[in-house]
Amino acid sequence: DGGITQSPKYLFRKEGQNVTLSCEQNLNHDAMYWYRQDPGQGLRLIYYSQIVNDFQKGDIAEGYSVSREKKESFPLTVTSAQKNPTAFYLCASSQTSGISSETQYFGPGTRLLVL
Amino acid sequence: EDKVVQSPLSLVVHEGDTVTLNCSYEVTNFRSLLWYKQEKKAPTFLFMLTSSGIEKKSGRLSSILDKKELFSILNITATQTGDSAVYLCAVEARRGSTLGRLYFGRGTQLTVWP
Repeated sequence: DGGITQSPKYLFRKEGQNVTLSCEQNLNHDAMYWYRQDPGQGLRLIYYSQIVNDFQKGDIAEGYSVSREKKESFPLTVTSAQKNPTAFYLCASSQTSGISSETQYFGPGTRLLVL
Repeated sequence: EDKVVQSPLSLVVHEGDTVTLNCSYEVTNFRSLLWYKQEKKAPTFLFMLTSSGIEKKSGRLSSILDKKELFSILNITATQTGDSAVYLCAVEARRGSTLGRLYFGRGTQLTVWP
């Protein structure tokens, strides 16, 4: 049963705490992405990765960090430097051909709340 | 600055009505335009459009792209309560063989009353 999984579904963060959101895919996709969605807003790109051990900053990377040690996994850490982390976080993946456009498929999301 | 604008932001209709959702864009290195449906959780893919004037259809949903005027529309005919969702428009920008990235609009919240 192929797809993208994210965990946890809900996450609570205390002031000054770093938290890590998990994203795993078994679609054999090369590219993976992290987005943030705030109420009434579109998705904003945090980080993306085309291949293992390589990633680029998106539009709102400050206060976040990522790693891509395995093709299947792209965890996102929300650091204490992110002052307004409450949001819905979506992970996506896509196959990359370098030539044609490829659809991005999304995981179920993680809702992060600050205590 | 790259930009994707959707209108209207919110729409309330009755079952059986036909709706048209709009998406305009200003993106450098345009490659494709995508429509997604989001019901509380993960956006699900509807259409990818790359060529002007070619309509894509899936059941009661259809979409078309105008690359000259830089917009796309999503039509839903004979709406049902299950169509209630946020519809997201995204535009892919890519330079050469580098990884494409998506720019999203704010979405249109569609509510269909029985």
